[in-house]
Amino acid sequence: KQEVTQIPAALSVPEGENLVLNCSFTDSAIYNLQWFRQDPGKGLTSLLLIQSSQREQTSGRLNASLDKSSGRSTLYIAASQPGDSATYLCAVKSGGGADGLTFGKGTHLIIQP
Amino acid sequence: NAGVTQTPKFQVLKTGQSMTLQCAQDMNHEYMSWYRQDPGMGLRLIHYSVGAGITDQGEVPNGYNVSRSTTEDFPLRLLSAAPSQTSVYFCASSYTSSDTQYFGPGTRLTVL
Repeated sequence: KQEVTQIPAALSVPEGENLVLNCSFTDSAIYNLQWFRQDPGKGLTSLLLIQSSQREQTSGRLNASLDKSSGRSTLYIAASQPGDSATYLCAVKSGGGADGLTFGKGTHLIIQP
Repeated sequence: NAGVTQTPKFQVLKTGQSMTLQCAQDMNHEYMSWYRQDPGMGLRLIHYSVGAGITDQGEVPNGYNVSRSTTEDFPLRLLSAAPSQTSVYFCASSYTSSDTQYFGPGTRLTVL
């Protein structure tokens, strides 16, 4: 059974710093990996989707990498801002079937002004 | 586009009561799914549907029923609510199960 782990569980950094969030998964036979952002009391917003054949995806100040063979992904946030404060979730789509995503428990990020 | 909408936002039930959580999307997505989110756990898949008339069970289906009569709607039914079903429920949709998932704002359910 696929398991997804996110480290650290919580992170607090000063505004302006570059930071890295980590995600690992136990079964490397994935179809794709998605990073989501969740604000308190809100739904999930998709940030980046990386297909299993890709090594990285970029959107603005966000860059996500994928090393399928080692079962790892990182989300890099450049020049962090207080508005980046949220919980970041990593989710894996295993195989090509119709079943859903396997989620990590998330990293709670606080950017200090 | 309204995206994925869910109603109600909050609900309190007594043990044994039944209710339906509504989910609708206006993006013409074929794939829809329901997750529950509990403290200290990742989101877990309850049921999913690959199109109208087709549904299947996810990781935690017990105590929940679904149907998909139209492409737009995917309601989740609690037949006899239990305190263990206290959770936040999210509906999601996408073109296929492998595409970017779009989530609704969630329904916070408390069962007393």
